Amino acid sequence: GQQVMQIPQYQHVQEGEDFTTYCNSSTTLSNIQWYKQRPGGHPVFLIQLVKSGEVKKQKRLTFQFGEAKKNSSLHITATQTTDVGTYFCAGTDHAGNMLTFGGGTRLMVKP
Amino acid sequence: GAGVSQSPRYKVAKRGQDVALRCDPISGHVSLFWYQQALGQGPEFLTYFQNEAQLDKSGLPSDRFFAERPEGSVSTLKIQRTQQEDSAVYLCASSFWTGVYEQFFGPGTRLTVL
Repeated sequence: GQQVMQIPQYQHVQEGEDFTTYCNSSTTLSNIQWYKQRPGGHPVFLIQLVKSGEVKKQKRLTFQFGEAKKNSSLHITATQTTDVGTYFCAGTDHAGNMLTFGGGTRLMVKP
Repeated sequence: GAGVSQSPRYKVAKRGQDVALRCDPISGHVSLFWYQQALGQGPEFLTYFQNEAQLDKSGLPSDRFFAERPEGSVSTLKIQRTQQEDSAVYLCASSFWTGVYEQFFGPGTRLTVL
């Protein structure tokens, strides 16, 4: 079945440093979504990417979808303490609605 | 407006007990999903409903797990004869339409099986 892997599993950064998390799928994806889960909270939708090579920005966050639609990345510029949480990618293959989540990258920001 | 709600928020069960977890999706949302999230892991898909129809239950780990959404709104996930490995957070999510859209997650039910 479809597998989605994320690296790194954990990342400690100093406030103001940049952060990137990478997502790789074992199969070609129809689309990919990114979610953020704060400690003790539930996943909250950030964005959806559909097109090959797509790049989307949300303020300090930049999301990319690979040309082959098998990988994706999330880059945060100049991290802030409010960025703390676990970032999950979740992909859908062409078969249906089911999202397969990666294991997540837990971001910790030191003030 | 109101988001997705789940009850109870916490449930402690003795091994072998049956439990029922409730999900109230956002009003008008057609699609409803159940996920299981173990500590430090990503959510894992359990089952999917489109209105009252259960279209995918491929993620249910055993026949002890059963889900229903009889009127196309509220859903219940039932686990029979709970085992320790069932301990996890059970997340419910809803989506406005079919196809792949943003999913709105509830706060989850943390199940601990002793």
